[in-house]
Amino acid sequence: AQSVTQLDSQVPVFEEAPVELRCNYSSSVSVYLFWYVQYPNQGLQLLLKYLSGSTLVKGINGFEAEFNKSQTSFHLRKPSVHISDTAEYFCAVSDPNFGNEKLTFGTGTRLTIIP
Amino acid sequence: DAMVIQNPRYQVTQFGKPVTLSCSQTLNHNVMYWYQQKSSQAPKLLFHYYDKDFNNEADTPDNFQSRRPNTSFCFLDIRSPGLGDAAMYLCATSRDGRVGGTQYFGPGTRLTVL
Repeated sequence: AQSVTQLDSQVPVFEEAPVELRCNYSSSVSVYLFWYVQYPNQGLQLLLKYLSGSTLVKGINGFEAEFNKSQTSFHLRKPSVHISDTAEYFCAVSDPNFGNEKLTFGTGTRLTIIP
Repeated sequence: DAMVIQNPRYQVTQFGKPVTLSCSQTLNHNVMYWYQQKSSQAPKLLFHYYDKDFNNEADTPDNFQSRRPNTSFCFLDIRSPGLGDAAMYLCATSRDGRVGGTQYFGPGTRLTVL
């Protein structure tokens, strides 16, 4: 079974500083990878996803992520964060060979922006 | 705006007293999912409906049931809640269940069991 590891449960970052949120997944076979964001009192919202093609994926709100197959990683980055980026970020994986879009989530990283 | 709505946002129940959580969607999506998210843990899929077809995860306890009377609504029934069932329950939808597709989430219902 697939698993996702988000090693950092909390990441504090100063406003306008860069941030990287780490995600590693367990399988070395083909996978689809996702980052979802959960703002306070809201549901999860898709930031970006990797299905195939270019390993650098751009998403909403200035976020991007890089798929690294050899490292089995899909780290999320933003060059300059804003107060409004304060949220919980979830990495997720699905198996294209499984036949449906079941998502396996990581435990999340809470990003706190310090003014 | 098209959206996924969950009611209530907060639900308190007593140990062993049945409870029903509600989800509705205006997206007209075929697939609806229920996830359980305990504190500091990953959201965990309980089951999903592809149209009227119910798909249970192997490790979902029998205490959890679901109904989907029509495309727009889906309910989560917990027959005899235990203290360990206290969690955030997330409803999500997707257009067709295609692998790689996007899931759209509601804001969740936080269940407290006394």
